[in-house]
Amino acid sequence: GAVVSQHPSWVICKSGTSVKIECRSLDFQATTMFWYRQFPKQSLMLMATSNEGSKATYEQGVEKDKFLINHASLTLSTLTVTSAHPEDSSFYICSALTGLAGPRQFFGPGTRLTVL
Amino acid sequence: EDQVTQSPEALRLQEGESSSLNCSYTVSGLRGLFWYRQDPGKGPEFLFTLYSAGEEKEKERLKATLTKKESFLHITAPKPEDSATYLCAVQAFLGQLIWGAGTKLIIKP
Repeated sequence: GAVVSQHPSWVICKSGTSVKIECRSLDFQATTMFWYRQFPKQSLMLMATSNEGSKATYEQGVEKDKFLINHASLTLSTLTVTSAHPEDSSFYICSALTGLAGPRQFFGPGTRLTVL
Repeated sequence: EDQVTQSPEALRLQEGESSSLNCSYTVSGLRGLFWYRQDPGKGPEFLFTLYSAGEEKEKERLKATLTKKESFLHITAPKPEDSATYLCAVQAFLGQLIWGAGTKLIIKP
């Protein structure tokens, strides 16, 4: 149980285009999901906390107009990278919070974004 | 300031050579400490949650322990497939997660 999926697993796009990444909790409902990015050989960096039915909470330094987050249902959160540039190239990982057996996050497999 | 420090940054072991990874933390109001395993190009895989000092949890060759200042991930008789980056994260009182930078573990056959 507690499986989180992400789609797509990788994407290559041209500079200036927008890219949408989906995060789904497959077998549980998640009122809270998190979006992270990870640069090579570095740890995860929290970008924002996504709460179902309300606006996302962004971490300091993360542009909310560039990284649009929508958590429209209890099983789906989306991250849209708008007007992507090469510096946005990274590994984006989502996680979903479940209260099953104590608070616990389950992570998606990640999405590799490459902006040319 | 809430902080999580993992050591060593990298660890190379021979197959069968037991060792431990360390996660030291300072946090206001610990709600839980999490261990994850991450393989290259993949999302982290949940291993353990520890909630209070003295707690221990085991899974196959891994055993996690917790004190008031640190957690250890003990690996007994590791195999090459245990090679990965092991991440530690602490959940503070207000719910935020603070991540360590990880320890890259390499097990040589």
